Amino acid sequence: EVQLLESGGGMVRPGGSLRLSCAASGFTFTDYAMTWVRQAPGKGLEWVSGISASGISTYYVDSLKGRFTVSRDNSKNTLHLQMISLGAEDTAIYYCAKAQGKSGGSFDSWGQGTLVTVSS
Amino acid sequence: QPVLTQSSSASASLGSSVKLTCTLSSGQSNYIIAWHQQQPGKAPRFLMKLEGSGNYNRGSGVPDRFSGSSSGADRYLTISNVQSEDEADYYCQTWDSNTRWMFGGGTTLTVL
Repeated sequence: EVQLLESGGGMVRPGGSLRLSCAASGFTFTDYAMTWVRQAPGKGLEWVSGISASGISTYYVDSLKGRFTVSRDNSKNTLHLQMISLGAEDTAIYYCAKAQGKSGGSFDSWGQGTLVTVSS
Repeated sequence: QPVLTQSSSASASLGSSVKLTCTLSSGQSNYIIAWHQQQPGKAPRFLMKLEGSGNYNRGSGVPDRFSGSSSGADRYLTISNVQSEDEADYYCQTWDSNTRWMFGGGTTLTVL
């Protein structure tokens, strides 16, 4: 059974940084691209970032303007999202999701999410 | 860059059927999409992958009350024998090699 477990969320002040992690199990981690999706309060799902199975290629939504960095540790089956210069607009639940291909494809598994709150 | 358009809301009576629509932008009528369900207060759940041909593959444990179909740029999610637990937000999602992944705005289904 595929399991994705996010951690690292919390409250941070505007301008601060946070690092999210997603521990994966139940599948061959190195065979699939992984992504981060967020959901602001009362809003829809927004794809944020993704990384290919090998970790060589990374992808981001244009609006992030270079503030987020996605990475993966294939030896530990873990996905990360480093976030800097956080603003109120980054307040959201952050989900990790597994893609069906090595560099793309539909999402077929979701984590339970971790809440990030940016507030002074 | 593909765009996915969904109606913001839909309703269905208990035990009836409802068909939700996700429309791809022009030129993307062959795109594969996925449907996801998000019940109130919960994480999203993958329902199915749906091809332009109408072929679909449900996720593990998804009841066969959920089915998919396609017509041109439209992708449909049909829920038969609607149950109270089907009251949720439904999102379509696709990807391409340039913009990567994207979601539709979501449809909120109310069960009457």
